[in-house]
Amino acid sequence: QVQLQASGPRLVKPSDTLSLTCTVSSGSLSSFYWGWIRQPPGKGLEWIGFVFYTGGATYNPSLRSRVAISVDWTRNQFSLKLAAVTAADTATYYCTRETHSHLLDSWGQGTLVTVSS
Amino acid sequence: SNVLNQPPSVLVAPGQTAWVTCWGDNIGSKSVHWYQLRPGQAPVLVISHDRDRPSGIPERFSGSHSGNTATLTISRVEAADEADYYCQLWDSSTDHVVFGGGTKVTVL
Repeated sequence: QVQLQASGPRLVKPSDTLSLTCTVSSGSLSSFYWGWIRQPPGKGLEWIGFVFYTGGATYNPSLRSRVAISVDWTRNQFSLKLAAVTAADTATYYCTRETHSHLLDSWGQGTLVTVSS
Repeated sequence: SNVLNQPPSVLVAPGQTAWVTCWGDNIGSKSVHWYQLRPGQAPVLVISHDRDRPSGIPERFSGSHSGNTATLTISRVEAADEADYYCQLWDSSTDHVVFGGGTKVTVL
């Protein structure tokens, strides 16, 4: 069964770039979408976007100007970069595997990223 | 674009049945998926494509979809079922994943 594990800084300064990497274990990147979901404290889930294993990406319009998701075949990883962060970007970030019918069949544990000076 | 609505909370006694609804305009033709979020744990897909139960999910979890309302049913509720539940669909008109606002199921 595929396992996802996110890693990256837990504290990011305002106006900096948030960077997270998700390592995929016991599975290949092939034939799936790989994405990110976030949940601000006390709020609901927000879709950030996904990248197809071939490299094409789709993003939430509300974040499109600041976000980039990419894949690294050599390391079996995919990554999230969110630029110009503010306190509103403080959230638990989940990496996910998404099927062709766009259900999220595997999730990482979630990592809390705090934006603060 | 699709907006999905859920009740903020559902209260249920152990052994009883909990119904969590998810509704929105024009969702009748779309597949709805359900996720369980427990604190400190990775979210889990509990129902896919309106009514399919993934391997490992107890039979107590079931789903249905009629018109513009999808329903997650948890029968014979146990304390371990206390969690937040989210519905989700794919909006093909905008190519976006859409989540409902989430429902907190509290076991009394």
